[in-house]
Amino acid sequence: AAGVIQSPRHLIKEKRETATLKCYPIPRHDTVYWYQQGPGQDPQFLISFYEKMQSDKGSIPDRFSAQQFSDYHSELNMSSLELGDSALYFCASTANRSPYEQYFGPGTRLTVT
Amino acid sequence: KNEVEQSPQNLTAQEGEFITINCSYSVGISALHWLQQHPGGGIVSLFMLSSGKKKHGRLIATINIQEKHSSLHITASHPRDSAVYICAVPNYNTDKLIFGTGTRLQVFP
Repeated sequence: AAGVIQSPRHLIKEKRETATLKCYPIPRHDTVYWYQQGPGQDPQFLISFYEKMQSDKGSIPDRFSAQQFSDYHSELNMSSLELGDSALYFCASTANRSPYEQYFGPGTRLTVT
Repeated sequence: KNEVEQSPQNLTAQEGEFITINCSYSVGISALHWLQQHPGGGIVSLFMLSSGKKKHGRLIATINIQEKHSSLHITASHPRDSAVYICAVPNYNTDKLIFGTGTRLQVFP
């Protein structure tokens, strides 16, 4: 069965550069969540989209933006990268914002040097 | 006080031992997730449950909604079970997840 796909899996950027992370939800899932997990830390919710509209917002820096496209994939754009942005970024998808069936992607490990 | 608390934080076991990891939460929830994360790896969903008990192979998850408590059990533990186990709940009024602090399990041969 198809799972949540994220790309790239690993990314190395320098300070002040930009990065774009992509998340492809499970087919027919219309809701995407983005989470950030710093080294040794709990995952923190960043932002979510439902039917291509932002549905909730967490602790996402102003330097980050995200959107969901017509095919329901989502992109997280990160600018002016800082060392503290180094983390595992993973997304989850579900249908109709259901809390029961959230499926997780493998994550993108971003390293900022 | 964290909304989702796990115990123990760290756990070591010998291969074959029975493992129990506990999760207590203070918010109203509609479902609870148990997740597994290997070192340097992504997150894998083990269970989603809203009542009772679920079993997948050697893994068993139970939840008591009234007591706001869930447990993850691993029978006949194996070194490949070594990972961080995380419980996560969606707050009743939202769908985004609140994560517990995780339990780091190491199973030695």
